[in-house]
Amino acid sequence: QQQVKQSPQSLIVQKGGIPIINCAYENTAFDYFPWYQQFPGKGPALLIAIRPDVSEKKEGRFTISFNKSAKQFSLHIMDSQPGDSATYFCAASSSGTYKYIFGTGTRLKVLA
Amino acid sequence: EPEVTQTPSHQVTQMGQEVILRCVPISNHLYFYWYRQILGQKVEFLVSFYNNEISEKSEIFDDQFSVERPDGSNFTLKIRSTKLEDSAMYFCASSDNRAEQYFGPGTRLTVT
Repeated sequence: QQQVKQSPQSLIVQKGGIPIINCAYENTAFDYFPWYQQFPGKGPALLIAIRPDVSEKKEGRFTISFNKSAKQFSLHIMDSQPGDSATYFCAASSSGTYKYIFGTGTRLKVLA
Repeated sequence: EPEVTQTPSHQVTQMGQEVILRCVPISNHLYFYWYRQILGQKVEFLVSFYNNEISEKSEIFDDQFSVERPDGSNFTLKIRSTKLEDSAMYFCASSDNRAEQYFGPGTRLTVT
């Protein structure tokens, strides 16, 4: 019940495409859902996060869509660029705990 | 922009040796965390620390592990007797609330 399932494992898109990465959870106590971007040899960098009281959040080219009833959330990257090539992790946490539960990661490659 | 820093960037040690990984969290943050990432796998929570004590720890964080905030700026993770399976990237993170966590660049620990 503590797992966060992430798909796909890897994704290749053309420049300008809109990659979509999906995550699903079981624990209804989760109330904070961040996305992290990680480049090789670097630490995860916070991209965008959402709480269950909204269904969508946009920051620049990054959008999170949230479906509370389905217990799913997804990251969309608009107008993707080669510089977006990285591994993306979704995560979840609840107010009663301090820890993040991470998904397994999606390796994105954006072709020039 | 303030950031979490970690030293060393790479540590090689022999099995059975003690290692100390060091972190300087963002200065006004109150919550501190250690996570690890075995090569190619997801990021896993180890421990959280608040108000000079452990708030939460995972089953990975056994008696071989300890954390300390020896002064007002550093946060350390000690592994008393390293095992081969401790080889991983270790990330420190900090936050000023329980939500947004900011990660450092990581220390790559190699146990031989």
